[in-house]
Amino acid sequence: GAVVSQHPSWVICKSGTSVKIECRSLDFQATTMFWYRQFPKQSLMLMATSNEGSKATYEQGVEKDKFLINHASLTLSTLTVTSAHPEDSSFYICSAPPGGLHEQYFGPGTRLTVT
Amino acid sequence: SQKIEQNSEALNIQEGKTATLTCNYTNYSPAYLQWYRQDPGRGPVFLLLIRENEKEKRKERLKVTFDTTLKQSLFHITASQPADSATYLCALDAGGTSYGKLTFGQGTILTVHP
Repeated sequence: GAVVSQHPSWVICKSGTSVKIECRSLDFQATTMFWYRQFPKQSLMLMATSNEGSKATYEQGVEKDKFLINHASLTLSTLTVTSAHPEDSSFYICSAPPGGLHEQYFGPGTRLTVT
Repeated sequence: SQKIEQNSEALNIQEGKTATLTCNYTNYSPAYLQWYRQDPGRGPVFLLLIRENEKEKRKERLKVTFDTTLKQSLFHITASQPADSATYLCALDAGGTSYGKLTFGQGTILTVHP
């Protein structure tokens, strides 16, 4: 089946620094990838859609200058949390649909803790 | 505004019984409804997808129904096992220009007791 990986699986950073999270589709190409955020005991909330070769589109309320997304290739999307603050601490998960399919394959997630 | 409700925050059943989870939605016309399993600290895992023009889908011990009139989906796990214990999420996809953008319910934590 389709496999999506994320790196790192967890990261701790100081307030004010930036953190980059990678999302890779390992056995399929993904022109579109999605980034979600999940706070404790809450469900996943879509943050943005990452498009290969064009700008990402952000959901309402998500600051595009704070959460920078780059879809560098057909198998890699990165999310950079800039000037991180403690309230950005969350579980960040990416997903991608293999071509022609509607179901999503999710990465294992990245736990971000900002101190 | 769009709303998705999974009727039980938690469901406890005995091994071997059938677990039935409910997903209701309002102010939404999904083209696709999907069910995912999420284990603690992990990303969701795709289980089943059902289209708006389908009534029922099955996969091994799993069955999902979709009633667009009632705006409800039921997810069944038959012959449940302790290994089925996890959080189950329903997700809606409007399709079209919103292709792939999933809106998730809050999840139901299923615990299957031996």
